[in-house]
Amino acid sequence: QQPVQSPQAVILREGEDAVINCSSSKALYSVHWYRQKHGEAPVFLMILLKGGEQKGHDKISASFNEKKQQSSLYLTASQLSYSGTYFCGTSAAGNKLTFGGGTRVLVKP
Amino acid sequence: DVKVTQSSRYLVKRTGEKVFLECVQDMDHENMFWYRQDPGLGLRLIYFSYDVKMKEKGDIPEGYSVSREKKERFSLILESASTNQTSMYLCASTTSGTVYEQYFGPGTRLTVT
Repeated sequence: QQPVQSPQAVILREGEDAVINCSSSKALYSVHWYRQKHGEAPVFLMILLKGGEQKGHDKISASFNEKKQQSSLYLTASQLSYSGTYFCGTSAAGNKLTFGGGTRVLVKP
Repeated sequence: DVKVTQSSRYLVKRTGEKVFLECVQDMDHENMFWYRQDPGLGLRLIYFSYDVKMKEKGDIPEGYSVSREKKERFSLILESASTNQTSMYLCASTTSGTVYEQYFGPGTRLTVT
């Protein structure tokens, strides 16, 4: 079953913050975050492993609450380059990921 | 630089045709994946392979098959294309395990008429 991402879309002004959530009904081992710009391949942002460790990539950070089976991606002081569709991918075990439906982010000047 | 390449960016096929989509990676990765991407549905796993000649079904394998004869190459086959297989197809590869990032190819937009 696919993880559920929310919101489905968000529009920001440059410099504003946003949070994207990813919830799973299964116990998770790892959560991946990817960003895809229009017409391009998804690009890896970060991986969070079981243990609740927070990670960061520039001004984008994420947390992983294994008890709630939930991860959140934080876009801080958003830049125009943050526009794109963000996907979370979850793994319970093994080699495969299950991706959410994506969250479209548009950052306006 | 890791590179995952796909045989075509755009492909138009007729209903009933046999379609081959090919993916090649140059990083000696054990795992390779085929996804289809549709608006609102994200990336859905069709098949994956964790070694040469090994394959496992993903979440939506119906109507598809795969082949992995060499480590660097993973092919997706549509035995008899149908209009509901019109989609963007993405290939990815990674080192074994889910603690490593997946590297994606540029995608093939397949239209079945």
